[in-house]
Amino acid sequence: GAVVSQHPSRVICKSGTSVKIECRSLDFQATTMFWYRQFPKQSLMLMATSNEGSKATYEQGVEKDKFLINHASLTLSTLTVTSAHPEDSSFYICSASYVRQGETYEQYFGPGTRLTVT
Amino acid sequence: DAKTTQPPSMDCAEGRAANLPCNHSTISGNEYVYWYRQIHSQGPQYIIHGLKNNETNEMASLIITEDRKSSTLILPHATLRDTAVYYCIVRVRGKTSYDKVIFGPGTSLSVIP
Repeated sequence: GAVVSQHPSRVICKSGTSVKIECRSLDFQATTMFWYRQFPKQSLMLMATSNEGSKATYEQGVEKDKFLINHASLTLSTLTVTSAHPEDSSFYICSASYVRQGETYEQYFGPGTRLTVT
Repeated sequence: DAKTTQPPSMDCAEGRAANLPCNHSTISGNEYVYWYRQIHSQGPQYIIHGLKNNETNEMASLIITEDRKSSTLILPHATLRDTAVYYCIVRVRGKTSYDKVIFGPGTSLSVIP
């Protein structure tokens, strides 16, 4: 149980275009989802926290107008990279919060999306 | 969340136990020790967590010192598939859905044939 999927797994786009990445919780409802970015040989960096039906909370230094997050349902959050540039090329990973045993929340991670901007 | 310190890299011979240390000297009383790993180009995978007692599951064992200032993740019989970056994280166990997981640099474990 507690499976998180991402689509697409890989995407290549041209500079200046926008690309949307989907994160789905397959067998549970996730009130909260998180988006991370990871550059080569670096650790995961939290970008934003998204709660269903409300605006996302962005970490310091993350441009909210560039990385649009929508969490319209309890099983789907999307990250749209607008006007992508080569420096946005990265590995994007989402996670979803799932309550275990009715009392504590744990995070389950998706497989990641590799974005390459040419 | 308290910070952790891990060695940047370690090697382990295949079939031997891999012992990955983590220092968390500023851990608070209500913070848990979590371990995740990330195999290259995949999402992080939960391994184990504990508060103060030693824990064991099908993947690994977690040994936490009595003063809780450090811990060791043990992979009892390392295989090549255990080659990954291992992250030690201390955090309050989520009472709300928006409690974050913040990753440090981790330890890159290489299992050698």
